[in-house]
Amino acid sequence: GAGVSQSPSNKVTEKGKDVELRCDPISGHTALYWYRQSLGQGLEFLIYFQGNSAPDKSGLPSDRFSAERTGGSVSTLTIQRTQQEDSAVYLCASSRSTSAFTYEQYFGPGTRLTVT
Amino acid sequence: KNQVEQSPQSLIILEGKNCTLQCNYTVSPFSNLRWYKQDTGRGPVSLTIMTFSENTKSNGRYTATLDADTKQSSLHITASQLSDSASYICVVPLGSGNTGKLIFGQGTTLQVKP
Repeated sequence: GAGVSQSPSNKVTEKGKDVELRCDPISGHTALYWYRQSLGQGLEFLIYFQGNSAPDKSGLPSDRFSAERTGGSVSTLTIQRTQQEDSAVYLCASSRSTSAFTYEQYFGPGTRLTVT
Repeated sequence: KNQVEQSPQSLIILEGKNCTLQCNYTVSPFSNLRWYKQDTGRGPVSLTIMTFSENTKSNGRYTATLDADTKQSSLHITASQLSDSASYICVVPLGSGNTGKLIFGQGTTLQVKP
C-alpha cells in the first residue's frame, strides 16, 4: 500500500512568512508524529497525535509552531513568522499505535524547508 | 539524561568490505532499540528492532547486537555494497509506556566506494 507522503518536498520562504507543511499518513494508522532534522543533527521530536487524544506538544520549540490533525488522518504543521533557524527537514511518521514495544514508525520523505 | 550516542560519526569503506557501527544509550527504562537506514533525501527506514531479551538479530547482510547490561548495540554490515551508502541511525523509545517518543542518535554516515 501507499506509504507516508509529505508535501511540499521543498519549500523556500522568506524570513517572517508563515508556512504549512502537510503529512498524509498510512491509511489506518492512528498515531502520527512530526520530527525535525537540522543539518548535521539527529532527528528531534516535535509533536505526536494518537487517535482522538490530546496531542503531545512537548517537543515544539516555540509557540510559533503548531500542528493539527483533521479527521484523524491528514496533519498540517504550521510555522508562523519563520526564522532562519527553522531551516531543516521536517519528517512525518505514522504507526498503528504509539506502543513503544511493538509498532514501527513509518517515515515520509520529508519536507526540506529553507528560510532565507 | 536520556541519550543515544553513535560512533563513528562517518565511515568510508571499500565495496565488499565489512564494517561495524556502534551505539551507546542511556535511555531508561529500556524497552527496545531500533536501527534505521536513511538514504540521502529520504525518510528513515527500519532495519531491525531488538527487544530486551534479544542479543543478536540479522536482516540479510545486516546483523545487530544488543548488550542490555552495558547498554550498547552494534550494527554489522557484511560484504558492503554501494547501495549501503547512507546514514544509519540508532533509536531508543523513551519510557516503557505508550508514548511513542523516540530518542535518536545523530547517525553514522557510511560511504561505500567502488
